[in-house]
Amino acid sequence: AQSVTQPDIHITVSEGASLELRCNYSYGATPYLFWYVQSPGQGLQLLLKYFSGDTLVQGIKGFEAEFKRSQSSFSLRKPSVHWSDAAEYFCAVGQNQAGTALIFGKGTTLSVSS
Amino acid sequence: DTGVSQDPRHKITKRGQNVTFRCDPISEHNRLYWYRQTLGQGPEFLTYFQNEAQLEKSRLLSDRFSAERPKGSFSTLEIQRTEQGDSAMYLCASSGRTSGRFWNNEQFFGPGTRLTVL
Repeated sequence: AQSVTQPDIHITVSEGASLELRCNYSYGATPYLFWYVQSPGQGLQLLLKYFSGDTLVQGIKGFEAEFKRSQSSFSLRKPSVHWSDAAEYFCAVGQNQAGTALIFGKGTTLSVSS
Repeated sequence: DTGVSQDPRHKITKRGQNVTFRCDPISEHNRLYWYRQTLGQGPEFLTYFQNEAQLEKSRLLSDRFSAERPKGSFSTLEIQRTEQGDSAMYLCASSGRTSGRFWNNEQFFGPGTRLTVL
C-alpha cells in the first residue's frame, strides 16, 4: 500500500540549533516528493520538492531535503532554526502525473524553544 | 495572481444542515483538488477535477458529498445532512503547467475552510 510515515509526532528544538525531520515512504511508482509547512489555522505552503536529478534539493526559508532511494527516505533539514519556524510539517508523495492525489504523512509538529 | 482562495474560512453548523464551500484556483490552473484534514492528521484526498470534469473520487467522499466545477474555474463542495464526523478542515488545491510545455503535479493549496458541526 502507498503510504508516508513521519515517525516523529512532535519535536522541540532550541533556536539556532539544527533540525532534521524524517520521512519514509512506500510507493509503487517513481515517487515525487514534497515537504509542506502549515502554520496554525492556515493552508499548506510548499517548502521544496524533488522530481529527479540531484538528491539534495534546496527550498525556501533556508530548508533543504535529501532523497535516499535505497532507504525510501526524504529528510528535511535546516542548519539553524528560527522561532518563526514553529509549525507543522508534512511530507507528501505523488506521481509526476497531473491529476494524481498526493499522499501525506500525519505531520510533525515543531516547537522552538528560546 | 494571489493564489488559491477559499470561502468561507470558517463555518459552524448544526448537525443535519447542508453546507457549501467555494474554491477559486489559480487562474491558469486547470486541475483542482479537494482534500480533508482532521485534527492530528495529514490531508486526505477527496476528489479531483480536470477542467469541468470530475475524474476521480475517493472512497472518503460519501453520497452526502458532492463537488462541482461547472465552468472549469471555481469549484464548490457541498455536504448534505452534516454529521459531527464531518468536522474538519477542507482544503482546495490547484495545479497546472509550470514552465514551458510540461505539466507536473505541484499542487498549490488554499487557506482551507474549517467546518465545525455541532
